[in-house]
Amino acid sequence: GAGVSQTPSNKVTEKGKYVELRCDPISGHTALYWYRQSLGQGPEFLIYFQGTGAADDSGLPNDRFFAVRPEGSVSTLKIQRTERGDSAVYLCASSPGQPNEQFFGPGTRLTVL
Amino acid sequence: AQSVAQPEDQVNVAEGNPLTVKCTYSVSGNPYLFWYVQYPNRGLQFLLKYITGDNLVKGSYGFEAEFNKSQTSFHLKKPSALVSDSALYFCAVSRPTPNKFYFGSGTKLNVKP
Repeated sequence: GAGVSQTPSNKVTEKGKYVELRCDPISGHTALYWYRQSLGQGPEFLIYFQGTGAADDSGLPNDRFFAVRPEGSVSTLKIQRTERGDSAVYLCASSPGQPNEQFFGPGTRLTVL
Repeated sequence: AQSVAQPEDQVNVAEGNPLTVKCTYSVSGNPYLFWYVQYPNRGLQFLLKYITGDNLVKGSYGFEAEFNKSQTSFHLKKPSALVSDSALYFCAVSRPTPNKFYFGSGTKLNVKP
């Protein structure tokens, strides 16, 4: 079956621009997570959705970052006024719910010039 | 504060020898514990998990891990390493509530022929 997909796989943008990163979870998975992974580091939690609502957004670094999941399936991570420090791989994962493991997508590599 | 520590950035073993990748955690309550593996240019893949019950859990590709509550550890082990096991390994911890995951910084496993 289809796994978690993320688009685009690579995104290069200029400082100050707006970007959207998309995640398509595994069908039927109610939980969806966004992480950010910098080189040589483990995934850093950003936000967790249970259904349509953000159950925990404590990992979002500041108000330039926002994520939505309007129909409880596809999610979009939105970054406004991008900065060079936002450059990283953004990972999405989905899960059928606790205490199950997460299934990760391949990630979107964001480069801010 | 909740945290996960992988004290070794890199572990080197010879093919056929046993391997251990260490993980300790600091999470309140009764945690769920996971190991993931990341191959180059691939997404994170689930290896195994501990939820409750027997402290020794078995997972994919011959890996196993032992939960030690008193030492707050969850070390990954394999009796006989393969060159193809060479990859980046991440330990992760979550709590029942909230369902937030904390990842270690990763350990690079090098298996030499």
